[in-house]
Amino acid sequence: GAVVSQHPSWVICKSGTSVKIECRSLDFQATTMFWYRQFPKQSLMLMATSNEGSKATYEQGVEKDKFLINHASLTLSTLTVTSAHPEDSSFYICSARDLGGRSSYNEQFFGPGTRLTVL
Amino acid sequence: GQQVMQIPQYQHVQEGEDFTTYCNSSTTLSNIQWYKQRPGGHPVFLIQLVKSGEVKKQKRLTFQFGEAKKNSSLHITATQTTDVGTYFCAIRGSGGSQGNLIFGKGTKLSVKP
Repeated sequence: GAVVSQHPSWVICKSGTSVKIECRSLDFQATTMFWYRQFPKQSLMLMATSNEGSKATYEQGVEKDKFLINHASLTLSTLTVTSAHPEDSSFYICSARDLGGRSSYNEQFFGPGTRLTVL
Repeated sequence: GQQVMQIPQYQHVQEGEDFTTYCNSSTTLSNIQWYKQRPGGHPVFLIQLVKSGEVKKQKRLTFQFGEAKKNSSLHITATQTTDVGTYFCAIRGSGGSQGNLIFGKGTKLSVKP
């Protein structure tokens, strides 16, 4: 299947700092990427849909000023958690569909995730 | 908003026993997808069901889509330790062509050797 990478894989930061997470589609172009967060032993919750060249679409209850999304190119989307607090600690996962062919079922290919711990 | 209910939340089985997880929606679905997430890993696509009453098999895994397209199940025959993980169903959100997914809560399967 298509490959999606994320960087970093884990990060520990102090409360009040900002953290940037990168999501890259390595072997395909993705006009749309999705950002999820997953708390321990819970399901994936969609945070926002990242659109190349335009503003992201945020799900209800997700603060757009806190979770900044930039989809600068067809292969890169970034999520910046601004002024992070301990309650932002979570597993953040991005995904994308390969509309060029390998998403034959419109399935999403997920990145390996980024574990954020805010002290 | 749209949601899909998944049960059970946890399932502990002895190796060799069967396992089933169920997803239910109050609305008719256009399709449903199933993903598996290994401990510490990320979700991996397993299959998509589209047709009413559809049954698909992948080795020991059998996926079913209900006649009314409101429910689905994943059945694993003779579980193995490699089946350990959380199985999620996912439905298409109201984002339309953008393709965002709404995930069930998942069923965490543990297999005792």
